[in-house]
Amino acid sequence: AQKVTQAQTEISVVEKEDVTLDCVYETRDTTYYLFWYKQPPSGELVFLIRRNSFDEQNEISGRYSWNFQKSTSSFNFTITASQVVDSAVYFCALSEESWVPGTYKYIFGTGTRLKVLA
Amino acid sequence: KAGVTQTPRYLIKTRGQQVTLSCSPISGHRSVSWYQQTPGQGLQFLFEYFSETQRNKGNFPGRFSGRQFSNSRSEMNVSTLELGDSALYLCASSFRTGTYNEQFFGPGTRLTVL
Repeated sequence: AQKVTQAQTEISVVEKEDVTLDCVYETRDTTYYLFWYKQPPSGELVFLIRRNSFDEQNEISGRYSWNFQKSTSSFNFTITASQVVDSAVYFCALSEESWVPGTYKYIFGTGTRLKVLA
Repeated sequence: KAGVTQTPRYLIKTRGQQVTLSCSPISGHRSVSWYQQTPGQGLQFLFEYFSETQRNKGNFPGRFSGRQFSNSRSEMNVSTLELGDSALYLCASSFRTGTYNEQFFGPGTRLTVL
C-alpha cells in the first residue's frame, strides 16, 4: 500500500507564479517524521525540511513554506514567486518505526516534477 | 565538508553479470543507506548500514547485498544482473540511524543492464 502519495506527477507554472505541491501520507504511528527533498537535473537529492509528528506549526523559509495538517495527513509545500531554478523533482518522505524494534522505514513518494517556465 | 561521493557514476553491464557500487559518506557520518530509483517505482529503499551492521532492509531479492567498512564507506553488490535492475542507485548518509535523521544524498550511479 502506498504510504506517501504525491498525486501531482508534473506541474508547469510560469515564473513568479505561486505553486503548491501536495503530499498525503498514511501511518499508524504516533511518532513519525516527514521530509521534503529536491532533486535537480543533476540527480542529487537535497534535503529541504524535516517535521516531526508533534509539531504542526507551519514553517516559512524564504520563498518556501510548508503546511503540516495531521487532521488530513497532509504535508504540503508551497513555493512563492517561483523561479526557473526551482525546476526539479520534489519528493515527500515519511520516516516511521518498523515492525522490528529499533529499526525504521524511510518511504518516499513518487515525486512531483515541477517545471518553471521563463 | 565534502559531500557524499559515489563511484562509478555510470556503468553498463550485461545480464548475468555482477556489479559493485561504492559510496563514501560525509566525514563523521556513520549511517549509509542505499536506494534504487526507477521511473516506474520511484525511490525504493534497499538497506541501511550503521557501524558496519545492516540495520534496515527493504523488499529486494537476495541478489542485492551490501556491506560497510570501518571507515563508514559502503559498497553495494548486485549479482546475476537482470534488465529490470537498470536504475539510478543513490546512496545517502546521515550522522546517526533513526527516524528523525535527514539524509544527505550522493549524485548516484546510473546502471544500465543490456
